[in-house]
Amino acid sequence: ELKVEQNPLFLSMQEGKNYTIYCNYSTTSDRLYWYRQDPGKSLESLFVLLSNGAVKQEGRLMASLDTKARLSTLHITAAVHDLSATYFCAARFWDGLTFGKGTHLIIQP
Amino acid sequence: GAVVSQHPSWVICKSGTSVKIECRSLDFQATTMFWYRQFPKQSLMLMATSNEGSKATYEQGVEKDKFLINHASLTLSTLTVTSAHPEDSSFYICSASSDRDNGYTFGSGTRLTVV
Repeated sequence: ELKVEQNPLFLSMQEGKNYTIYCNYSTTSDRLYWYRQDPGKSLESLFVLLSNGAVKQEGRLMASLDTKARLSTLHITAAVHDLSATYFCAARFWDGLTFGKGTHLIIQP
Repeated sequence: GAVVSQHPSWVICKSGTSVKIECRSLDFQATTMFWYRQFPKQSLMLMATSNEGSKATYEQGVEKDKFLINHASLTLSTLTVTSAHPEDSSFYICSASSDRDNGYTFGSGTRLTVV
């Protein structure tokens, strides 16, 4: 069964702190995606990770992929309020994407 | 960059009526389009995959006679929710891909409310 498990599902943190969101997937996938969703909006693409050991960074966000462990992480460095959103990871199996349940992130001043 | 336009952004309809949602790729040819449904505070669930000129492939548990998908051209796919009921109220999002290596572009979503 295709499963993508994300944790934590809810995260409240203070500005300036670091934290990591974890994404495990159940079977071999050739691509792992991270998206951001603001309330009432569609998805904003953050990263696509293609190979084992891939690491990508954009601003305060860094994503990595370990295909052997079937694990991807999204690391937030020195969080700021503007990063408050829901973050989804998604794995590609065949053509469509299977999404994790999302991490609702609240960053408080 | 690749842009996918989805209309309408929101729609309210009466129970028993049908609603059509359009998804257009504006600057690329979308050989494959995907339709997702998202209930409040939940994840996106893939409903169906459609390739241009072919019948859509529906995920398990999705009624193909209720959710009609047409992908008649390389730039347009439509989702028609037939005989809508309040439990069909949801956020519907389309996604388009030109080929497997180019990733996915998401539409802006359609908020459907059935009253």
